Amino acid sequence: EVQLVEAGGGLVQPGKSLRLSCAASGFTFSIYWMSWVRQAPGKGLEWVANIKQDGSEKYYVDSVKGRFTVSRDNAKNTLYLQMNSLRVEDTAIYYCAGLNSGDWHFDFWGQGTLVTVSS
Amino acid sequence: SYELTQPPSVSVSPGQTANITCSGDKLGDKYVSWYQQRPGQSPVLVIYQDMKRPSGIPERFSGANSGNTATLTISGTQAVDEADYYCQAWDSRTGVFGTGTKVTVL
Repeated sequence: EVQLVEAGGGLVQPGKSLRLSCAASGFTFSIYWMSWVRQAPGKGLEWVANIKQDGSEKYYVDSVKGRFTVSRDNAKNTLYLQMNSLRVEDTAIYYCAGLNSGDWHFDFWGQGTLVTVSS
Repeated sequence: SYELTQPPSVSVSPGQTANITCSGDKLGDKYVSWYQQRPGQSPVLVIYQDMKRPSGIPERFSGANSGNTATLTISGTQAVDEADYYCQAWDSRTGVFGTGTKVTVL
């Protein structure tokens, strides 16, 4: 069974940092592009970042460029999102998702972890 | 930046057909995926590559994409189909989601 389990969310003050992780199992993690997608409370989905299988390519939505960094450890089957200089508007549920690079669609999703940025 | 626009809401009677549109510049030149999200749950893929259904998705879900508009059609809509639906496409390697449509089965 495919599983993606996010962790690391919580309450953090504006300007601070947080690192999210996503533990993958039930599929060959190393052959998948991986993504982070977020959803602010009561709002729609927003793509945040992609990372290629070997980590050599990374892409970000403009609003997080220079503040967020996506990375992965294929030996540990784990995806990460380092979030620095957090803003109130970064408050959201953060989902990790497996990206089918053949057809470019999200094959599976985690259950999400809530990040709340507030003073 | 690239944008995808959906109607905020669509209402449909049980057994009838719901059409959800997704509009974007030259969207027909891109592949579109559709995701269903029930309240409190993670999104689920219902259509990919414009019109393909993943295994386990009922045949009543279908898709089309041409010109500037992609359409998700739910035929014979059931109460279980009540959810938010998002279209999604790629602009180079940058992901874009539609604004989302709440489908209400009356």
